[in-house]
Amino acid sequence: NAGVTQTPKFQVLKTGQSMTLQCAQDMNHNSMYWYRQDPGMGLRLIYYSASEGTTDKGEVPNGYNVSRLNKREFSLRLESAAPSQTSVYFCASSPTSGGGNEQFFGPGTRLTVL
Amino acid sequence: KQEVTQIPAALSVPEGENLVLNCSFTDSAIYNLQWFRQDPGKGLTSLLLIQSSQREQTSGRLNASLDKSSGRSTLYIAASQPGDSATYLCAVRPVIEFGQNFVFGPGTRLSVLP
Repeated sequence: NAGVTQTPKFQVLKTGQSMTLQCAQDMNHNSMYWYRQDPGMGLRLIYYSASEGTTDKGEVPNGYNVSRLNKREFSLRLESAAPSQTSVYFCASSPTSGGGNEQFFGPGTRLTVL
Repeated sequence: KQEVTQIPAALSVPEGENLVLNCSFTDSAIYNLQWFRQDPGKGLTSLLLIQSSQREQTSGRLNASLDKSSGRSTLYIAASQPGDSATYLCAVRPVIEFGQNFVFGPGTRLSVLP
């Protein structure tokens, strides 16, 4: 099992460009999450999908959109990138969104917006 | 709003020492607490998951405790090794927190010197 995979691993964008970060999991998990990690800020939740067909905003959703394409895949889109979106982006999954579940993380995408 | 802090922010110890990392959270209404390890430039690896009804979990040289009433968790690492050098993150799952799922602390950066 590959677990949680993310593409690309690195990306450099110019301000105003758009891009989509891809995430897939092969653990048959229902719930998936997108976080960003910034120095001194810890990980912050951008969006999550409790189950296929549903998405909800997290702590810092502005400037992002998501799509739960199917049970395996959850993508994050930046429509018009800004330098403030320079960060490391992590995708995670858990069996359900229920309280006791463990989260599993992908390797991350390092994004720089110039 | 749930907040998570970790002390110390950085720690340097000689090989072989036993050490304790601390995690504090402001709201005791949690489903669980999860400890992660993050190596530089890498994703998060789950170390231990403690459910709210549990007091501690053990895995090899690692032992994590949870005192929900006081809002604290500790990660004990026995007989530290240079390979333990990494950033350690704790995260809690609040019972009620609109728009959020897991809330992360900022991490403790551990260096184990040979």
